[in-house]
Amino acid sequence: GENVEQHPSTLSVQEGDSAVIKCTYSDSASNYFPWYKQELGKRPQLIIDIRSNVGEKKDQRIAVTLNKTAKHFSLHITETQPEDSAVYFCAAIFGNEKLTFGTGTRLTIIP
Amino acid sequence: KAGVTQTPRYLIKTRGQQVTLSCSPISGHRSVSWYQQTPGQGLQFLFEYFSETQRNKGNFPGRFSGRQFSNSRSEMNVSTLELGDSALYLCASSTFSGGGNTIYFGEGSWLTVV
Repeated sequence: GENVEQHPSTLSVQEGDSAVIKCTYSDSASNYFPWYKQELGKRPQLIIDIRSNVGEKKDQRIAVTLNKTAKHFSLHITETQPEDSAVYFCAAIFGNEKLTFGTGTRLTIIP
Repeated sequence: KAGVTQTPRYLIKTRGQQVTLSCSPISGHRSVSWYQQTPGQGLQFLFEYFSETQRNKGNFPGRFSGRQFSNSRSEMNVSTLELGDSALYLCASSTFSGGGNTIYFGEGSWLTVV
């Protein structure tokens, strides 16, 4: 079935260090993988996405890598800052073009 | 450009009642999706509408329904409310349906069932 597994569920990182969140997906035909950030009480907002024709994409301190063979993709945040504290969701498009989300990772940046 | 607008933002209903939530997509967006967000289950897909037609449906009971109007605005309805329906209901819009189009979320409607 359509499934996206996300790990870890919670992550605490010292300010300035890097954070990595990993997701695996079940459908090898998936071709679009967005990441959303949701701050407390706010809407999820797209922070970066990647399509299956590339292996890595970077936007300032945020990068996403994709391994199609292993069916997993990861979010990397470098030089973390307090404002990076939020819940992060990965997602993948499945064959019926339905966007399925992971269960989320609560990231806490320790000052 | 205005973002996705959802109304009402907060509401409290009693078990057995029904509720209707409204969503106005970003201007020019024709696809509207609905998600239920709860602490334990994350973001669960309810359904997607494009050009007034339901394109996809998640694994929710028939008590959950929706529709889309010719101006792309959408409503979702939950009948015979249960305590477990308490959640944040998020609407999202995109230019087109599927194909990896970026979806943009509204602020959500917080539903509490007592």
